[in-house]
Amino acid sequence: NAGVTQTPKFQVLKTGQSMTLQCAQDMNHEYMSWYRQDPGMGLRLIHYSVGAGITDQGEVPNGYNVSRSTTEDFPLRLLSAAPSQTSVYFCASSYSEAGSNIQYFGAGTRLSVL
Amino acid sequence: AQSVSQHNHHVILSEAASLELGCNYSYGGTVNLFWYVQYPGQHLQLLLKYFSGDPLVKGIKGFEAEFIKSKFSFNLRKPSVQWSDTAEYFCAVTYSGSARQLTFGSGTQLTVLP
Repeated sequence: NAGVTQTPKFQVLKTGQSMTLQCAQDMNHEYMSWYRQDPGMGLRLIHYSVGAGITDQGEVPNGYNVSRSTTEDFPLRLLSAAPSQTSVYFCASSYSEAGSNIQYFGAGTRLSVL
Repeated sequence: AQSVSQHNHHVILSEAASLELGCNYSYGGTVNLFWYVQYPGQHLQLLLKYFSGDPLVKGIKGFEAEFIKSKFSFNLRKPSVQWSDTAEYFCAVTYSGSARQLTFGSGTQLTVLP
């Protein structure tokens, strides 16, 4: 049981390049989400999914796309990277307990956009 | 928009000192409250959570938190900190109606001096 696995751990991009951050979970959780973590701002929700085929925007969705073709995988795509997207990205998955989430986080992807 | 405030950005303590980290949330009806910890270079881990019942909740590693509804607060406490408690601590909230989405505070960096 690996939990939430994110790849890559580190990535450097040039402005305008595209890439996909991978996230996979093996806990059969229905809910998955992507956050970015910036100094002094905590974690902000980018996109989330409540199940395969269903995604929705979070607080800071601009510049990012997601899809959820399977329960296990929830990739995050940057179509045209910008320096403002330099951040640490965390994927999380969760089950529902008492109507709320207990979220499990991946180890993160540290992205630098030059 | 719902928000979470952590007023202490950086706290420095000596070992064996007592700890209290503040967390306040904006009013939004029924809430579920969480404290997460992020050790250097690691992902976020759940310290403790409050859904209902006894407002004093105990978590892992000797941490506890008290939910005070009248003050919209959920402060984290530990009677005697250790060097290994050095980490960043995040308060998070889910609000009724969006119970699957976590809203995070900006985080408090705790440094414990040996």
